[in-house]
Amino acid sequence: GENVEQHPSTLSVQEGDSAVIKCTYSDSASNYFPWYKQELGKGPQLIIDIRSNVGEKKDQRIAVTLNKTAKHFSLHITETQPEDSAVYFCAAIRRNDMRFGAGTRLTVKP
Amino acid sequence: DAGVIQSPRHEVTEMGQEVTLRCKPISGHNSLFWYRQTMMRGLELLIYFNNNVPIDDSGMPEDRFSAKMPNASFSTLKIQPSEPRDSAVYFCASTLSALNTEAFFGQGTRLTVV
Repeated sequence: GENVEQHPSTLSVQEGDSAVIKCTYSDSASNYFPWYKQELGKGPQLIIDIRSNVGEKKDQRIAVTLNKTAKHFSLHITETQPEDSAVYFCAAIRRNDMRFGAGTRLTVKP
Repeated sequence: DAGVIQSPRHEVTEMGQEVTLRCKPISGHNSLFWYRQTMMRGLELLIYFNNNVPIDDSGMPEDRFSAKMPNASFSTLKIQPSEPRDSAVYFCASTLSALNTEAFFGQGTRLTVV
């Protein structure tokens, strides 16, 4: 099955700086790559996603890039704010089989 | 729609007891996933169903774990007998399988086995 690796496991940035989280996947048939944000005591929620026919997608301060050849994708958060502090998960999906990375705990210091 | 509903939110049980976790997916969603979350292993996929049929249960850790989906609006994850190492947060998620779209998660069940 699919194997998703995510780095770093923890990330601390100063408010206003950028944060980058990287993921790699193993199954070249995976074609959908969502990112989820999990706040304390809640279930993960989708923040952005990208499909295999697209190389980059932006939504305000959040962007995701995908390199299908290298099988890696990244989440970029610019102008970070304290409310961005959470655990972020990447996922790779093939035929509805959804596997997550181990998560990145992002802390944004005011 | 109220979203994915899981019950109970918290469960504390003694080792050896049977535990049943419940999930009601979003109406109209035809895929349902059960995940286990721990600090050490992150979000592990245990099993998922398409149209009430189990598709992949390779993530179920042992025979002590079983899951059912008797109809489109209800699923259970059962652990019998429970062990302390089963302590974790268990999440249920649902989605529309044909479109590879957003999965909606419930609030999770925090299970503690003492």
